[in-house]
This record gives sequence, structure tokens and C-alpha cells, in this order.
Amino acid sequence: DQQVKQNSPSLSVQEGRISILNCDYTNSMFDYFLWYKKYPAEGPTFLISISSIKDKNEDGRFTVFLNKSAKHLSLHIVPSQPGDSAVYFCAASARVGDMRFGAGTRLTVKP
Amino acid sequence: DGGITQSPKYLFRKEGQNVTLSCEQNLNHDAMYWYRQDPGQGLRLIYYSQIVNDFQKGDIAEGYSVSREKKESFPLTVTSAQKNPTAFYLCASSIKGPFSYNEQFFGPGTRLTVL
Repeated sequence: DQQVKQNSPSLSVQEGRISILNCDYTNSMFDYFLWYKKYPAEGPTFLISISSIKDKNEDGRFTVFLNKSAKHLSLHIVPSQPGDSAVYFCAASARVGDMRFGAGTRLTVKP
Repeated sequence: DGGITQSPKYLFRKEGQNVTLSCEQNLNHDAMYWYRQDPGQGLRLIYYSQIVNDFQKGDIAEGYSVSREKKESFPLTVTSAQKNPTAFYLCASSIKGPFSYNEQFFGPGTRLTVL
């Protein structure tokens, strides 16, 4: 029972353009959402988060949007850089310690 | 410098043997977690611990066991009862906050292959 879904296993974008990674969730109790970035053979690193009281959170080139009614969130990277090429995981939590992860989207930014 | 260490990076075991994966953190975090990652799937929670000497089962605890005797350490034992143990195992930790959410910090992972 996958409560957090990333339906696009991969995404390819030209350097300088916008990357949009999407994530859907089914559990309406989730109220905190995170994006992690993972390079090969390394553990995921935290990128950005958003709580359910907000619909947008921005940090430099990274912006996360939350649409609670659609149970959908997205990560925008503008402008995309080759160093952004990695696997991006969406995660959601309803309480401390109980976090659910999506399957990940592999982003490739072409120079 | 602070962080989470997992060792070894690669581990091979024969079928039917128990194996223990280590996870150590010096971040002074109260909470620690074990996840398993399989191709095409997200990270699935095996066990987590919010405090020393206490831990809870995650979604896929069957065939695994843990202990939390020290704040810094949260070893995971993959027992022979685990039907499909070959996977990439990730350990994480976070500051415990009952009324707030905190991101989890991950170790580099251990790839276990059972032959």
C-alpha cells in the first residue's frame, strides 16, 4: 500500500530550464512533506520541506508547492544545473517518526 | 565532524545466516530509523526508536530485529527468517520533537547481498 507515489521514474531536462518533480499522496492525515536528494551509493540528503499550513516554500532555486485538496506536491528547480542530477524522493509524515517515501524520480540535467 | 556512519558499505552473507548491520551517530539525536530500499520502490521503514531501550516496528519488521542500548547506536539484525534480505539498507536519525517535525539525516547505506 503505497501512500506516497512518484509516478515518473525519470525526468530529463536541459540545463537552465525548469525541473518539475511531482508527488501524490493518499493519506489525508499527512501534514508534513519533505524532498530528499540522493546520489548513487550515498544516503539521501534533506532538501526542502513544507507543512500543511502552507502551500509554498522556497529556498534558493528550490520551491515546493503543496495542493492539499488534490493531495499533490511538486518540487520546482529553477534554473536546473547538471549538479542537480540525482534521484529525488518525496516523503510525507503524519506524526513524528512515521515517514513514508515515494519510489523516487531520477532527474538528469543535460548540459 | 558529526554524522551517521554505517559499516560495512557492502556485505555478503550465505543464505540462512543472521547478519548485523551497524549504525552509529554522533549528532546527539534521540530518534533513529532503519529503512530498506529496493529497486523501483521507495524507502520502507523497518524499525524506529525514539529513545534508548525503546523501539517500534515499521511496515516491514518481519525477519528483522533491533536494539537500542545506547543513544549513539542502533544495530539491525537481518535474520534467516527474512525471506528476501538482499537490499540496500539505510539508517537515519533525527532530533526527537513531539510537537514538531524534523528532517531525518541518513547514513551512506549498506548493500547486503545474500548468496
